[in-house]
Amino acid sequence: ILNVEQSPQSLHVQEGDSTNFTCSFPSSNFYALHWYRWETAKSPEALFVMTLNGDEKKKGRISATLNTKEGYSYLYIKGSQPEDSATYLCASSNDYKLSFGAGTTVTVRA
Amino acid sequence: DTAVSQTPKYLVTQMGNDKSIKCEQNLGHDTMYWYKQDSKKFLKIMFSYNNKELIINETVPNRFSPKSPDKAHLNLHINSLELGDSAVYFCASSLTKVRSTDTQYFGPGTRLTVL
Repeated sequence: ILNVEQSPQSLHVQEGDSTNFTCSFPSSNFYALHWYRWETAKSPEALFVMTLNGDEKKKGRISATLNTKEGYSYLYIKGSQPEDSATYLCASSNDYKLSFGAGTTVTVRA
Repeated sequence: DTAVSQTPKYLVTQMGNDKSIKCEQNLGHDTMYWYKQDSKKFLKIMFSYNNKELIINETVPNRFSPKSPDKAHLNLHINSLELGDSAVYFCASSLTKVRSTDTQYFGPGTRLTVL
């Protein structure tokens, strides 16, 4: 199991503001970095999978970057909306086993 | 149609009992997983099956026994339940086991409470 850390643990953001948060993972033997979005009372849903250093992925107002050399990924939410409120999980994979961070819980205030 | 389903959603039982949680996926995936969400909210892998073959077996008490009757089902049987087994258990599936980029699709979770 890989040591994957996410910070901050939680954050509050005003509707319309942008925010970002971090996922740190071991850079050695890196295979892939996954981001999941987990709404309360629902299942985690995949957002992105990234593999290459410098990868950037975008889905609507949410985007992510990857630095495999230093072992971190950022997730950005632009112009936050109440429906963005969720816990965002990152997971680093070692072959076919995912090691998850504890998540960053985002609360968007109207 | 629900892609990955689990039953039951909630399970409350007494210490020492034996219980099972069922998982089914209708995605045609080859690989299925069981995760436990621990007290610190981490999702930790317990088991993985690929086409009915056990491929991941983390350090889990042998009171936990997964069973895969076919590649669409992965059930979790727990013997002699203990208070520390109380947690939310998630089933997941992915297309294959060989590619680390495969997205895992999660079920809704089963909240197990041991009294």
